[in-house]
Amino acid sequence: AQTVTQSQPEMSVQEAETVTLSCTYDTSESDYYLFWYKQPPSRQMILVIRQEAYKQQNATENRFSVNFQKAAKSFSLKISDSQLGDAAMYFCAYSGGGGADGLTFGKGTHLIIQP
Amino acid sequence: DTGVSQDPRHKITKRGQNVTFRCDPISEHNRLYWYRQTLGQGPEFLTYFQNEAQLEKSRLLSDRFSAERPKGSFSTLEIQRTEQGDSAMYLCASSLDWGGRLAFFGQGTRLTVV
Repeated sequence: AQTVTQSQPEMSVQEAETVTLSCTYDTSESDYYLFWYKQPPSRQMILVIRQEAYKQQNATENRFSVNFQKAAKSFSLKISDSQLGDAAMYFCAYSGGGGADGLTFGKGTHLIIQP
Repeated sequence: DTGVSQDPRHKITKRGQNVTFRCDPISEHNRLYWYRQTLGQGPEFLTYFQNEAQLEKSRLLSDRFSAERPKGSFSTLEIQRTEQGDSAMYLCASSLDWGGRLAFFGQGTRLTVV
């Protein structure tokens, strides 16, 4: 079974600074997808960024980028120029490529933005 | 269609009662997922539909839980004989089967069993 580990229960960053959230995963599959989701206090899960395992190039979405290290099974999220609206729970998630598996989530990292 | 819709947003029920939740996915999405999220945890996968067929169920989905998607559109999740341990946020998500697993989530139904 796949597992996703987020070792940072909480992170704090000053507004406009850069922060990196860590995620590691365990799988025996070679084809899969990795995601970062954001869950603000309103509780709706919002997709931040997605990475296909077969792509070597790291995904980027505006201020959000990932460092995908397939051999190390590591998938960290970098948030540049942090804004107050970035404050939320951030979940790393895995989806197997071969079947119709649902997402396997980590326990989340609570990101605090200091004004 | 503005996204995945879940109803009700909040439900308080007495232990032993049955409850039913509804999820309306994004209209063209053929995949529909149910997750359960307890406080301080990430969502846990419960079950998955492709069109009207329920293709996968987690071991978390005990016999008291049943889900349906009768016409491949909306889905219902029923919990019979609720227990206090069922208190959680129940999340629904939908996606396209060629969408690279790009799932969109609803706002969830928060269940409190008293």
